[in-house]
Order: sequence, then C-alpha cells, then structure tokens
Amino acid sequence: DTAVSQTPKYLVTQMGNDKSIKCEQNLGHDTMYWYKQDSKKFLKIMFSYNNKELIINETVPNRFSPKSPDKAHLNLHINSLELGDSAVYFCASSHLTPLATSSTDTQYFGPGTRLTVL
Amino acid sequence: AQSVAQPEDQVNVAEGNPLTVKCTYSVSGNPYLFWYVQYPNRGLQFLLKYITGDNLVKGSYGFEAEFNKSQTSFHLKKPSALVSDSALYFCAVRDMGGTYKYIFGTGTRLKVLA
Repeated sequence: DTAVSQTPKYLVTQMGNDKSIKCEQNLGHDTMYWYKQDSKKFLKIMFSYNNKELIINETVPNRFSPKSPDKAHLNLHINSLELGDSAVYFCASSHLTPLATSSTDTQYFGPGTRLTVL
Repeated sequence: AQSVAQPEDQVNVAEGNPLTVKCTYSVSGNPYLFWYVQYPNRGLQFLLKYITGDNLVKGSYGFEAEFNKSQTSFHLKKPSALVSDSALYFCAVRDMGGTYKYIFGTGTRLKVLA
C-alpha cells in the first residue's frame, strides 16, 4: 500500500545507454514531480506534470524526457547517459497544481532511485 | 529571485537538549513554508508547514517551527532531541506572489549524540 513507489531502486549502467525510471502514486493526486538530488544532497526540481500535462520544465538537458501515461504515473526516460547524471532521482506527488494560487499542497515523495553511470 | 537558505550544513546536539535548524527565505509574495526530513536511503517526509495564521506551527514527531516575517525566517525546533531525530532536514518555500514553484534549501544534517 505504498503511496509513491519508484522502480528500480538502484540502477547501474554504462555511459551512452538509455534508461527509464518508473513512478506510480496511489494517492489520487493530480500533480507529479521529478527531482534530482546530487552527491551534496542538493535537491532540484526537474519536471512537474498536472493531469498528464507538463507544467514545469526546468533547465535540464533534453536527453531527459518525462512521460505520463495517466495521472497516476510519471516515468522518466534518459537518453545517452553521462557521468554527471549520476544522482538520486525522487518522484513526488501532490493534490493540487503547483501553480494554483490557493494551493497548500504537501508533497509526498517516493523512496528514490539511485542512478550510477559508469 | 526567490531562494531558501539553510546556513548550517550540520548541527550537532546532545540527546535531551533543545535543537534548532535554521532556515531563511526570500520571496516576492507571501510564502508558504515547509519542513521535510530525509532519513538515510529514504525519500523526503513532510514534517510541518506554515500557510497562514499562528506563527508557531506544530508538526510531526514533536517538531515545531516559528514563522518570523520581519526576519524572513522559519527555524525548526524541538525542545528535547532524540538520537532517532538524526537525519537530513530540508526547508522549502513556495512563492505565492510569483512563480508558485517549490524551492528547497540545501539541507542541514542533524546529528543527535547519545
């Protein structure tokens, strides 16, 4: 009955490969996010989707492409992996769009996916 | 531009002593302020938030935080620290007068010594 789940938990791959990380939430939320946490634990938002539509797209390489087949899922596909992509990637979800002026949403985070690029 | 600062990379405190983890922010409009905790190899967990109303907010696990508008601060506090409180703490803000984006601080590692 995990609220926000991610697979895989660990991902080790070679430079140049393409990989995907999956995220699912069973909270009935309509907004989902991807964050990157680097080795210094700095947390930065990458993308946000509301009802399957992209609403926040921070400055990330276009090798990163989020895909939302439905509002309970937000997958992250990464092409041509580079050493600098090594990090922990967190998925999160919340109830209301992050751009709503009346939103007081709390974000619920998944357990993270540790990506290591060799 | 909006920002969140956690000036201390690490805070050490003896078990049973009060603890404070500092957070200051800069936004163009009214802030919504949050504290999250991250235990090793886990995702972030919500602790508490300030939206409006009473400046002193109480949250999970005995933590509380005080919103101070004049000092633009939202420090996290607990009267008596436990060893199990040792974790990484993140302050976050949503700028309700601008982009409405969530911005996280750089995190403060709390170490409670037995």
